[in-house]
Amino acid sequence: QKEVEQNSGPLSVPEGAIASLNCTYSDRGSQSFFWYRQYSGKSPELIMFIYSNGDKEDGRFTAQLNKASQYVSLLIRDSQPSDSATYLCAVNSRTNAGKSTFGDGTTLTVKP
Amino acid sequence: KAGVTQTPRYLIKTRGQQVTLSCSPISGHRSVSWYQQTPGQGLQFLFEYFSETQRNKGNFPGRFSGRQFSNSRSEMNVSTLELGDSALYLCASSLEGQVFYEQYFGPGTRLTVT
Repeated sequence: QKEVEQNSGPLSVPEGAIASLNCTYSDRGSQSFFWYRQYSGKSPELIMFIYSNGDKEDGRFTAQLNKASQYVSLLIRDSQPSDSATYLCAVNSRTNAGKSTFGDGTTLTVKP
Repeated sequence: KAGVTQTPRYLIKTRGQQVTLSCSPISGHRSVSWYQQTPGQGLQFLFEYFSETQRNKGNFPGRFSGRQFSNSRSEMNVSTLELGDSALYLCASSLEGQVFYEQYFGPGTRLTVT
């Protein structure tokens, strides 16, 4: 079992719809959770981070964390073609704060 | 504030050679982590340096090494290059003192081994 698992996709949504990206992790000691967006040929860009159970909203993005279920998700509202990218989930544990474990990413395509 | 910078951006080497990559973190950031990204393996953690000391290490062979200088700039070295070392090498910096590490990535160095 991988430490961080994401649906590889591709996930396709129409413009204006809500895109839902999911991530599960195996280490119960995980402390912090990050979502990165990576455009083809570019480096990952941090878009959201969450530490506490519940929802965290930032503009069109909402991160949701459920530590009991070891599940973190990212919702993108009013999806735009410019949101088309690969979304990477990353997890840090309490004991290795400087090391992030990444999922393989979910490729999102937003169709005009 | 300037972002993370990496040099060179592109590199072509032949098998058996060695290579050194450089990373300058965001001003004030003292932690630098290195990752390898390949289509087959995704993003894999190499090592992390903080205050000139290696603090975390991933599961890579000893051919991969690094160091950090007093100004927090970091270098990564790969000796005896293999074809499988072709990858995008990314460094990320984070602010010391934060319990929860938000990492900011540089543009990466694309290494091709022929």
